[in-house]
Amino acid sequence: DIQLTQSPSTLSASVGDSVTITCRASQNVGNWLAWFQQMPGNAPKLLIYKSSSLESGVPSRFSGSGSGTDFTLTISSLQPDDFATYYCQQYSGSSETFGQGTKVEMK
Amino acid sequence: QLQLLQSGPGLVKPSETLSLSCTVSGGGGSGFYGGWIRQPPGKGLEWIGSMSYTGETYYSSSLKGRVTISGGAPFSLRLTSVTAADTGIYYCARRTVTGSYFSWGQGTLVIVSS
Repeated sequence: DIQLTQSPSTLSASVGDSVTITCRASQNVGNWLAWFQQMPGNAPKLLIYKSSSLESGVPSRFSGSGSGTDFTLTISSLQPDDFATYYCQQYSGSSETFGQGTKVEMK
Repeated sequence: QLQLLQSGPGLVKPSETLSLSCTVSGGGGSGFYGGWIRQPPGKGLEWIGSMSYTGETYYSSSLKGRVTISGGAPFSLRLTSVTAADTGIYYCARRTVTGSYFSWGQGTLVIVSS
C-alpha cells in the first residue's frame, strides 16, 4: 500500500501568514493527489485535486503543486476560516490513502 | 444540488455486522465513483473502499475480507465481525474519475459496544 506522510503534524500561524504543508508518498502517484480541509464536527471539504487543480468555489489563496512523490499545499494569506486540519489523499490506482493530517492552529 | 444522505444504526454489537446506506439526491449523471471513508474518534481519515461507475470494487487491504460495497440506489457498506476498533464516524462520498471526493454525506457515528 502507498503511504502518505504529511509534515508538519501541527503548524502555528497568524492571520495573513503564508503557510505550506508537504505530503510525501512512498511510491510514485503521478498527479493523482488531492487536498482536503476539515473543520471540527464537519465532513472534509475538497480543496485541490489532481495535484494543482482548484475545486470550484475554493478561494484562490489555496494552491497545490508537485508530482510523483512530493507535493505541497500552500495557503497564501491565512484567513480566520482557514484554521483547520488538512489532509492529503492519493488515488493513483486501485487503492487510496490519506495522510495523517496537519492541524493549522492560531499562534 | 447534489446531496448524499446516510442512514443506518449508530450502535453495533461486537462480532456483528455494520451496515450503512447512502442515498444520492439532487444530481444525476454517470461516471462517478462512490467511496466510504471513516474516522476514529479524534483521529485521521481512513479510506475503506470504493466502487467505480462500471461496478468494480476496491477495498483497503487492512479491511479486505470483512468489507463489501454495493452500488445502485442506495449505495451501501457492510463491515462484518466488528470490534471496538471499528468505532468512528463513517462517511460516504462521491468522486469523479480524475478528481477526488467532491461531495460527502453527513457522516454517521457508529459505536461498537455490547
